[in-house]
Amino acid sequence: AQSVTQLDSQVPVFEEAPVELRCNYSSSVSVYLFWYVQYPNQGLQLLLKYLSGSTLVKGINGFEAEFNKSQTSFHLRKPSVHISDTAEYFCAVSEGDDKIIFGKGTRLHILP
Amino acid sequence: DAGVTQSPTHLIKTRGQQVTLRCSPKSGHDTVSWYQQALGQGPQFIFQYYEEEERQRGNFPDRFSGHQFPNYSSELNVNALLLGDSALYLCASSLGGRGYQETQYFGPGTRLLVL
Repeated sequence: AQSVTQLDSQVPVFEEAPVELRCNYSSSVSVYLFWYVQYPNQGLQLLLKYLSGSTLVKGINGFEAEFNKSQTSFHLRKPSVHISDTAEYFCAVSEGDDKIIFGKGTRLHILP
Repeated sequence: DAGVTQSPTHLIKTRGQQVTLRCSPKSGHDTVSWYQQALGQGPQFIFQYYEEEERQRGNFPDRFSGHQFPNYSSELNVNALLLGDSALYLCASSLGGRGYQETQYFGPGTRLLVL
């Protein structure tokens, strides 16, 4: 069965510093991978998705992620964070069966 | 262009009661998925509706049921509420039956508290 592990429940980082949010998945078949962001008291917004092709995926708000099949990872990165990036970030996987399986989330704290 | 809307925004019920949550998809979308997000957890897939039929279901009991109307809006019904049903219920809409490939647009959610 597919599953997603987000290795850090919380990540503090100083404003304008780089950040990496880690995500590992488990699946026996080819997968589709996603990162969603949830701002306080809001629904989820898609940051980026990997379906096929280039393993480096660029998303909105300056975020990017790299699909690594051998390490079954899909880590999210941003070179310079802003206070407005404070949010909960969810990694998710789908095996193409109309279900999206989410990780437990990583809360990003931006320090002034 | 209205995005995904959900009603009500908040709801308080007592154990054993029944609840109905509503979702209107983004304009042009025909597929609706429902998720349960418990406090401090990621969303969990409940089920998906396409062409007024349940296409796929997650690991939720039969107390959770749904419906999709001809205008593509959807309802989530939960019977015999338990304290553990307290959560944020998210609706997501997408285009076509292959929701995993199309971007799923999420609504703001309905926060249900069961006392």
